[in-house]
Amino acid sequence: GESVGLHLPTLSVQEGDNSIINCAYSNSASDYFIWYKQESGKGPQFIIDIRSNMDKRQGQRVTVLLNKTVKHLSLQIAATQPGDSAVYFCAENRDSGAGSYQLTFGKGTKLSVIP
Amino acid sequence: DAGITQSPRHKVTETGTPVTLRCHQTENHRYMYWYRQDPGHGLRLIHYSYGVKDTDKGEVSDGYSVSRSKTEDFLLTLESATSSQTSVYFCAISELVGTYEQYFGPGTRLTVT
Repeated sequence: GESVGLHLPTLSVQEGDNSIINCAYSNSASDYFIWYKQESGKGPQFIIDIRSNMDKRQGQRVTVLLNKTVKHLSLQIAATQPGDSAVYFCAENRDSGAGSYQLTFGKGTKLSVIP
Repeated sequence: DAGITQSPRHKVTETGTPVTLRCHQTENHRYMYWYRQDPGHGLRLIHYSYGVKDTDKGEVSDGYSVSRSKTEDFLLTLESATSSQTSVYFCAISELVGTYEQYFGPGTRLTVT
């Protein structure tokens, strides 16, 4: 889930289990959402995206679910591996009006995989 | 990191000194962004550019200025660094053709003492 303080929410999962990371977004007019993965000392990396006209999208071992009614986004990682340990951010599109399509980022969730 | 480099990667500077961070891309993407990342705040947009010489403010632009004289370079300047500007700074690029995905550079860790 989203952080409300100085410390990131942490999710610990056993290797091989499935992980579910949640995100609440703020703007009901947002029409595009992205999940990013950030490993320690690196920049965020794209995982998967979804448009608001979809409820679900699947990638390789990852699935994103979108519930527009409650403005909730989730990332499911199947068969979690040690390499999945990272901080995961959701981001939503907010068109600034100048065509720049700014992204607004959540504060992130730290996923720790237990070998 | 999608053809994006940032320099320097680490910098320690004193309060009141000017600092310039550079972002260089080889992807010829139109849009470039500067973010700062702090514990408890996630990524916050400082400034962005939608073309050469076209820039605009983001959420946390006070104390920062930017310039883009070439497609490939986007500079972030702290005119007079303060301790509150100690942070990790990320540059990102996007082309916005069919996707709003942004590609991020490796980051610059700036410490203002």
